[in-house]
Amino acid sequence: GAVVSQHPSRVICKSGTSVKIECRSLDFQATTMFWYRQFPKQSLMLMATSNEGSKATYEQGVEKDKFLINHASLTLSTLTVTSAHPEDSSFYICSPTTGGSGMNTEAFFGQGTRLTVV
Amino acid sequence: KQEVTQIPAALSVPEGENLVLNCSFTDSAIYNLQWFRQDPGKGLTSLLLIQSSQREQTSGRLNASLDKSSGRSTLYIAASQPGDSATYLCAVKSGTASKLTFGTGTRLQVTL
Repeated sequence: GAVVSQHPSRVICKSGTSVKIECRSLDFQATTMFWYRQFPKQSLMLMATSNEGSKATYEQGVEKDKFLINHASLTLSTLTVTSAHPEDSSFYICSPTTGGSGMNTEAFFGQGTRLTVV
Repeated sequence: KQEVTQIPAALSVPEGENLVLNCSFTDSAIYNLQWFRQDPGKGLTSLLLIQSSQREQTSGRLNASLDKSSGRSTLYIAASQPGDSATYLCAVKSGTASKLTFGTGTRLQVTL
């Protein structure tokens, strides 16, 4: 399977600060990146979709000015949680894919980032 | 809008038992369905991928079936082991943007 590296795996930050999460596809070119979050005891919910070199498309209810996504290269995408608040505490996980939206391809995921805002 | 449901939400079985996890989805126009395993506080491990044209996939003690017309998939785990304890998620890929929609998960505990 594809090798995906997500960093950091765990971060604790103070309320009001910003946190950047990196997602790298190590052995393939990720033309599309999906970002998900998972609240405790809930399933994964898609936050946004980004294509390399383009602006991200956000799901309903996800604030684009709060969750900044950069997908400037085919191997790296970042998610920045700006002015984080305790309610942003969650598990964030990336999923890079090849070939645009990759209809029939298998989905691979990073290891996830546990964000705790205190 | 695609919705994915998994039953049961939690399951506890003694070691050695065979078990079945269920996944249902509302929109049958899917590209594929994927089963994942998630350990507490960890990311996702892909278990099996079934394309929309396929009926089942097997990997070791795992067998996943797909009945696209009825919107159902099952994950069969044979001879369960304590190491199988985890949350199992199914996800379907569908729609114009090929988005993955995840199920609610089944939390499995295999006891000694």
